Amino acid sequence: QKEVEQNSGPLSVPEGAIASLNCTYSDRGSQSFFWYRQYSGKSPELIMFIYSNGDKEDGRFTAQLNKASQYVSLLIRDSQPSDSATYLCAVPDSGSARQLTFGSGTQLTVLP
Amino acid sequence: EAEVAQSPRYKITEKSQAVAFWCDPISGHATLYWYRQILGQGPELLVQFQDESVVDDSQLPKDRFSAERLKGVDSTLKIQPAELGDSAMYLCASSLNSNEQFFGPGTRLTVL
Repeated sequence: QKEVEQNSGPLSVPEGAIASLNCTYSDRGSQSFFWYRQYSGKSPELIMFIYSNGDKEDGRFTAQLNKASQYVSLLIRDSQPSDSATYLCAVPDSGSARQLTFGSGTQLTVLP
Repeated sequence: EAEVAQSPRYKITEKSQAVAFWCDPISGHATLYWYRQILGQGPELLVQFQDESVVDDSQLPKDRFSAERLKGVDSTLKIQPAELGDSAMYLCASSLNSNEQFFGPGTRLTVL
């Protein structure tokens, strides 16, 4: 049973701070990792993906991957109230079907 | 901008009734997924299609759920009879290359 674990939170940070969201996964064969943002009552929206060890930056978002530790994180710099949402980590299986296993999500609140 | 379409957006039904959800993926996306998301949890895959063929329906409760994608484009998910525990958000997603998945707005089902 493939597992994707996230701290459910809630995580609260003040506006302008760095929010750090963490995810661990059980399938050592996983090669790619996705972060989705989900606002309350809405569907998930893809915001970042990462394939290689190290950091990948996109605007205020940085994804960090450490395959040896089976750990992927998402940093949000200069957090804004509009970043308040649930962040879902998703890992495709290593087979051809590429099905996503989602974590339960971390609820982030950015306080003005 | 191309989007995944779903209808209805909301559905309230009584237990033992039949319900059906419709999804139209992004044009050209061969892979279509149906997920169920219970409040506070991540989406869980119910069924995956590649064109008109089912790739995986191992998590679909086949005694009451059915899914089809007859012409390899749009898809219908049916529940008959609905049970109280089926109350959830039903999400459809599509993918071009089985990597990045794009979600529709979802159907919120409430079973009374």
